[in-house]
Amino acid sequence: AQSVAQPEDQVNVAEGNPLTVKCTYSVSGNPYLFWYVQYPNRGLQFLLKYITGDNLVKGSYGFEAEFNKSQTSFHLKKPSALVSDSALYFCAVRAPRANAGKSTFGDGTTLTVKP
Amino acid sequence: EPEVTQTPSHQVTQMGQEVILRCVPISNHLYFYWYRQILGQKVEFLVSFYNNEISEKSEIFDDQFSVERPDGSNFTLKIRSTKLEDSAMYFCASSDTGGANSPLHFGNGTRLTVT
Repeated sequence: AQSVAQPEDQVNVAEGNPLTVKCTYSVSGNPYLFWYVQYPNRGLQFLLKYITGDNLVKGSYGFEAEFNKSQTSFHLKKPSALVSDSALYFCAVRAPRANAGKSTFGDGTTLTVKP
Repeated sequence: EPEVTQTPSHQVTQMGQEVILRCVPISNHLYFYWYRQILGQKVEFLVSFYNNEISEKSEIFDDQFSVERPDGSNFTLKIRSTKLEDSAMYFCASSDTGGANSPLHFGNGTRLTVT
């Protein structure tokens, strides 16, 4: 079985400060990891993914994430937060397989960036 | 940019009634999914669909649920006899190759309220 944990329900940062949203995962084999963002009354939007290769992956809107196999983590980061980054963030994992199986999502972390 | 579209945006129904939620996936995508989100938080997998058949389904997707791709563009979720606990936001998603490394593209959801 695969699972994702996002230990923080809420993260608050000041605009201009770095932000980190934490994610740990459990899956059989090498994981495929994703971050999605959800704005109010909208669907989830893909931000970035880790499949293989460089442990630091870059995505949309200046976000990046670091894959750490030994800690089974995939934390989302941004060097300088914007008020417009305030949203609900979801980490997701998939087991590698030929046909797409389900993505398992964490419970989400609400990011609030204050001016 | 191509989008997944869902209709209606909000559906209110009485317990025991049948509802059909409609989705138009991105046109060149081959894999289709339904997820639901309760209380704006946890995103739960319901079913995946490829080549006119279900690829995978969760324990939530019991006999009261069914999916169909009636033509070349629509993808529907039917709930045969709704229950109060079916109240949720239902998201349709699609992906192109369907490989586990392909991100999901979500619609903006249908809010289902069962009274």
